[in-house]
Amino acid sequence: AQKVTQAQTEISVVEKEDVTLDCVYETRDTTYYLFWYKQPPSGELVFLIRRNSFDEQNEISGRYSWNFQKSTSSFNFTITASQVVDSAVYFCALSDYGSSNTGKLIFGQGTTLQVKP
Amino acid sequence: EAGVAQSPRYKIIEKRQSVAFWCNPISGHATLYWYQQILGQGPKLLIQFQNNGVVDDSQLPKDRFSAERLKGVDSTLKIQPAKLEDSAVYLCASRQGGEETQYFGPGTRLLVL
Repeated sequence: AQKVTQAQTEISVVEKEDVTLDCVYETRDTTYYLFWYKQPPSGELVFLIRRNSFDEQNEISGRYSWNFQKSTSSFNFTITASQVVDSAVYFCALSDYGSSNTGKLIFGQGTTLQVKP
Repeated sequence: EAGVAQSPRYKIIEKRQSVAFWCNPISGHATLYWYQQILGQGPKLLIQFQNNGVVDDSQLPKDRFSAERLKGVDSTLKIQPAKLEDSAVYLCASRQGGEETQYFGPGTRLLVL
């Protein structure tokens, strides 16, 4: 069965610190996609990044970077020089584009990030 | 481009009452999803539509939950009768054909007393 694990329930950092959010996934599919979403207090899930199972290149977007490693089934997310506006719940998700091809998302439990000024 | 719209944003009802949520996806998005997010957890899929047909409703509690997307655009999710454990945020998402990313609406927060 497909599963996403975010072992860190809550992380608290001081502004300008770097922080890494961990994500480990399980799937038997050879074709799949991984996502990170941000959920601020307003409640809406904001899309951050998508990675497919054939592309292990790391990605950097401003202060955000992602490290995808198939060997360890991990897709970690790093925020460099964190800011108070980064405070939110972050979700890692896995989509099913293999066996059932429905594209539904399997979410982790989420990591609550608090950035203190 | 307008995002996914949902209404109402908040709803408080008593147990055994009925409630309905509305979703308008991004224009042109054929696939629509309803997720339930219980406090402290990640969202879980309730039902998926492709145009006006149901693709996956295996996790929908069909004895009390129903959903429709009659014209392949807007969708309505209904709960009748509501239970205390239905208190959650109900999120609607849509996806364009050939694209992998789902875009979410602001959600409806339901509290069942």
